[in-house]
Amino acid sequence: EAQVTQNPRYLITVTGKKLTVTCSQNMNHEYMSWYRQDPGLGLRQIYYSMNVEVTDKGDVPEGYKVSRKEKRNFPLILESPSPNQTSLYFCASRGQGLVGETQYFGPGTRLLVL
Amino acid sequence: AQSVTQLGSHVSVSEGALVLLRCNYSSSVPPYLFWYVQYPNQGLQLLLKYTSAATLVKGINGFEAEFKKSETSFHLTKPSAHMSDAAEYFCAVSDLSTGGGNKLTFGTGTQLKVEL
Repeated sequence: EAQVTQNPRYLITVTGKKLTVTCSQNMNHEYMSWYRQDPGLGLRQIYYSMNVEVTDKGDVPEGYKVSRKEKRNFPLILESPSPNQTSLYFCASRGQGLVGETQYFGPGTRLLVL
Repeated sequence: AQSVTQLGSHVSVSEGALVLLRCNYSSSVPPYLFWYVQYPNQGLQLLLKYTSAATLVKGINGFEAEFKKSETSFHLTKPSAHMSDAAEYFCAVSDLSTGGGNKLTFGTGTQLKVEL
């Protein structure tokens, strides 16, 4: 089954404790992206990757890091989480074709930073 | 820069009534438009998309949307609401002029409630 998986689905942590949210896709997609969803703000792009070893900032990259060492994986790293990073996070992927290609989303990771 | 405006953060309809969720976009070049649905505690699922072919786009679960360039709109409709349609709906736009790897720019979402 074609899918995007994220782990963990739920995470409670404390300020300053480094964490990583994993994302993996099995569709051989070149493009992967991270979004955060906040009430009243919709989804905003954090980082994206056009292919292995190619990453770039989205609209809200502060406080986040990413890496793309393998095509299928695109982890999101919070080096020193803060309460304003409490949010619902989604990973997405799509092929490198036309801009109208569908993005496929993971199930989301709900993060609470105390 | 592209943007999306969804009018009405909450919409309530009776079961069997028409569903109309509004989306207006801003884009400097021909856009690609999407509607996604998010059921509680789930990720986003594509309902339908417009990619410059037919202006009336049919999607899953009986939804459709019409691209109107003159009105810069892409409203989502369904003739008869079902209880299972209760969810949050997001309109999104993407175009060739944007950075972010042709990212999706989302609206703020519309929560649809279906009442008996």
